[in-house]
Amino acid sequence: GAVVSQHPSWVICKSGTSVKIECRSLDFQATTMFWYRQFPKQSLMLMATSNEGSKATYEQGVEKDKFLINHASLTLSTLTVTSAHPEDSSFYICSASDSSGVSYNEQFFGPGTRLTVL
Amino acid sequence: GQQLNQSPQSMFIQEGEDVSMNCTSSSIFNTWLWYKQDPGEGPVLLIALYKAGELTSNGRLTAQFGITRKDSFLNISASIPSDVGIYFCAGHYAGNMLTFGGGTRLMVKP
Repeated sequence: GAVVSQHPSWVICKSGTSVKIECRSLDFQATTMFWYRQFPKQSLMLMATSNEGSKATYEQGVEKDKFLINHASLTLSTLTVTSAHPEDSSFYICSASDSSGVSYNEQFFGPGTRLTVL
Repeated sequence: GQQLNQSPQSMFIQEGEDVSMNCTSSSIFNTWLWYKQDPGEGPVLLIALYKAGELTSNGRLTAQFGITRKDSFLNISASIPSDVGIYFCAGHYAGNMLTFGGGTRLMVKP
């Protein structure tokens, strides 16, 4: 299957700082990328969907000004957690798909980024 | 919105046992998927189901897309220690978005 990488794999930051997480599709062009958040012992919750070159669509309850998403190319999307606080500590996972059509096209998941805010 | 109920939430297995888990939904899906997630990793696709009634196997894993399109099950036969992890069902209806179940945590009996 296609490979999706994330960087960094883990990050620890101080409260109030901003953190950027990168998601790259290594061997295919990702028309659509998704960002998920997963708290301990919970399921993946979709935060936002981004299509290359356009603004991300955020799920209800996700602050777009706090979680900035940029999908500037077909192989890279970034999630910036601005002014991070301890409650933002979580496992952030991206996925990438090479189609934005109606029928399902497989999402390839990255390995995740563990964010810890002190 | 759509919700997926996955059960059981957790279960202990002994090597060699068969394992069964299922997901039910309040509304229909067009695609059902089953993933496995190891600690600190992203989910990995195990089986994808695209048609109501479809029964698909992947090695010791078998999954079915319920005829009502509102449920799916995953069976693991003759479990081995590396089967330990968290299994998620996910459903797709439209627009490439997935809805995930709550997960089933598989653990080894001490």
